[in-house]
Amino acid sequence: DGGITQSPKYLFRKEGQNVTLSCEQNLNHDAMYWYRQDPGQGLRLIYYSQIVNDFQKGDIAEGYSVSREKKESFPLTVTSAQKNPTAFYLCASSMVGLGNNEQFFGPGTRLTVL
Amino acid sequence: AQSVTQPDIHITVSEGASLELRCNYSYGATPYLFWYVQSPGQGLQLLLKYFSGDTLVQGIKGFEAEFKRSQSSFNLRKPSVHWSDAAEYFCAVAPGDTGTASKLTFGTGTRLQVTL
Repeated sequence: DGGITQSPKYLFRKEGQNVTLSCEQNLNHDAMYWYRQDPGQGLRLIYYSQIVNDFQKGDIAEGYSVSREKKESFPLTVTSAQKNPTAFYLCASSMVGLGNNEQFFGPGTRLTVL
Repeated sequence: AQSVTQPDIHITVSEGASLELRCNYSYGATPYLFWYVQSPGQGLQLLLKYFSGDTLVQGIKGFEAEFKRSQSSFNLRKPSVHWSDAAEYFCAVAPGDTGTASKLTFGTGTRLQVTL
């Protein structure tokens, strides 16, 4: 089955530690995205990538980093510089091109900072 | 910049009753519009989308939405709600055909509760 996988489902981190969230897709999509979801705030875009080895900041990129070494993978690192990292993180992917803007979402990772 | 407003944070309806969830957007040109649904602790599932053409769009699970350019609205409707429809619903907007990766802007969501 084609889809997007995120791991782990739950993640606990001590303050001051970096942590990496995994996102893999087998949909052959060119574009991948990371969103952060907080209660009552909807989804906010952290980073996105249209092609391998290229990515752009979204609306709330501070304290986060990404890489895109392979088309199917787009890991997100939450660094110790992120002041309030506890949230639900969602990865998505889409085709790129005219009329192909539909994004498909993974099941999410809930990060809790202890 | 584009923006989305979902004025209703929480809505409660009885099973079998009709449903309308409101969505207003702000965007200078013709946008792409989406409705997604999210069950607790899960990812988002696309219900329907509007790119162009017929302004009444049919989606999955019996949902439909109507694009009204004059009102900048894209309200979601269902004639008869089922208890399994209880979830959070998000409206989203993306720039029209740019040929590049879409940057979705989401509303803050409407939580639907269904009473039996």
